[in-house]
Amino acid sequence: NAGVTQTPKFRILKIGQSMTLQCTQDMNHNYMYWYRQDPGMGLKLIYYSVGAGITDKGEVPNGYNVSRSTTEDFPLRLELAAPSQTSVYFCASRTQAGDYGYTFGSGTRLTVV
Amino acid sequence: GDSVTQMEGPVTLSEEACLTINCTYTATGYPSLFWYVQYPGEGLQLLLKATKADDKGSNKGFEATYRKETTSFHLEKGSVQVSDSAVYFCALLNTGTASKLTFGTGTRLQVTL
Repeated sequence: NAGVTQTPKFRILKIGQSMTLQCTQDMNHNYMYWYRQDPGMGLKLIYYSVGAGITDKGEVPNGYNVSRSTTEDFPLRLELAAPSQTSVYFCASRTQAGDYGYTFGSGTRLTVV
Repeated sequence: GDSVTQMEGPVTLSEEACLTINCTYTATGYPSLFWYVQYPGEGLQLLLKATKADDKGSNKGFEATYRKETTSFHLEKGSVQVSDSAVYFCALLNTGTASKLTFGTGTRLQVTL
């Protein structure tokens, strides 16, 4: 049981480049989330999805886009990378009912230079 | 809006010392409260939770009690081990669309021999 899988684990981008952070879960969870973690700032929600075909903005969506074409996958797209997007990105998922615990991926460390 | 405030770290303790990490929150209604732990290079893992006032969450020797009167959820452990070295996040979840977690800034704990 893989849980939540994120790729890549590390990436260096140049300013203005684009990339997609991949996230997939095999637990049939409806809810998925993207957070960024900046030093001393905790985790901030970027985007979330309550099911395939449904996405919505979190606290800090600017500069990012998401899609949710399947229950399993929730990729995060950076179109024009900026130094302010240097961060660690975490994907998480949870089931709709019952236990509210999230399952987190191991993260993607992104540096924009 | 909802917010979580944690004591700043790092916290450095000797093995077998007592641990308290303070957490207070601001929220409307009756949120659920959580502690997550992040070991080096890994994603966040749920450590314990409490879903209503006066509930006590516990796991791996850690405890936290949901105190509505003081809006607090302090994390405690009677005797820490080197393996407890990690970053600890307090979080709250309010009912509503997508049940999004709100995190504190995290507290780094370093336990030495």
